[in-house]
Amino acid sequence: AQKITQTQPGMFVQEKEAVTLDCTYDTSDQSYGLFWYKQPSSGEMIFLIYQGSYDEQNATEGRYSLNFQKARKSANLVISASQLGDSAMYFCAMREKSEETSGSRLTFGEGTQLTVNP
Amino acid sequence: ETGVTQTPRHLVMGMTNKKSLKCEQHLGHNAMYWYKQSAKKPLELMFVYNFKEQTENNSVPSRFSPECPNSSHLFLHLHTLQPEDSALYLCASSQDYKSLPIQENTEAFFGQGTRLTVV
Repeated sequence: AQKITQTQPGMFVQEKEAVTLDCTYDTSDQSYGLFWYKQPSSGEMIFLIYQGSYDEQNATEGRYSLNFQKARKSANLVISASQLGDSAMYFCAMREKSEETSGSRLTFGEGTQLTVNP
Repeated sequence: ETGVTQTPRHLVMGMTNKKSLKCEQHLGHNAMYWYKQSAKKPLELMFVYNFKEQTENNSVPSRFSPECPNSSHLFLHLHTLQPEDSALYLCASSQDYKSLPIQENTEAFFGQGTRLTVV
C-alpha cells in the first residue's frame, strides 16, 4: 500500500503568491514524523520542514508552513510569497517504525514539480 | 563543506564493469541510507545501516552490494549492472534514537547524489 501520496504531479504559481502542495499518508503507528524536502534540478535533497505526530501546533519555517491534519492524515506544505527560486521538485516523507528492525525508515512520496512563473 | 558528501557526482559504466559509490558524513550520525531515484518514480530505499549494522535490504538485486566500515562511511559496490539501473543514487544520514519515540528522530541529510548511467 502506498504510504505517502502526493496527488499533484505538477503545480504552477505566480511569483509572490502562496501555494499549497498536498500530501496524505498512511500509518497505524502513533509516533511518526513528517518531512518535506525540496529537490532542485541539480539533484540534492534539501530539508525544509518537520512535523512530529504529537506536535499540536503546525510547524513553520520562514515562508514554509505545514498544515497538519492528523485525523485526515494529511500534511500539506504551504509556501507563502513564492519566489522564482522555489521552482523545484517537492517531496513529502514520513518516518515510522521499521517493520523488520528496531530502527525507523523514511518513506517518500512521488513528488510534486512546482513551477513559479514571473 | 556539506554534511554528507558523495563521490563521484557522475559515473558512466559498462555492464561488465565494477565500480563503487562512496558516501561520507561529517555529522556524527549513526544511521546511513542508500536511495535510488529513477525518472518519474519516488525515491526507493535500498539499504539502511543503523548503528553500523545493516538493518534493511529492500529486495535489492545482488549486483548492488553495500558496505559500511564505520558510522561515517558508506559504500555501494556495483557489478554487472543493467541499463535499467541508470538512476540518481542518493546517500543520506540521520541520528536514529532507538530509545525515543519515532517522532523524536531527526530529519535525514542527503548528499548531492551520484548520477549513474549504465551503457
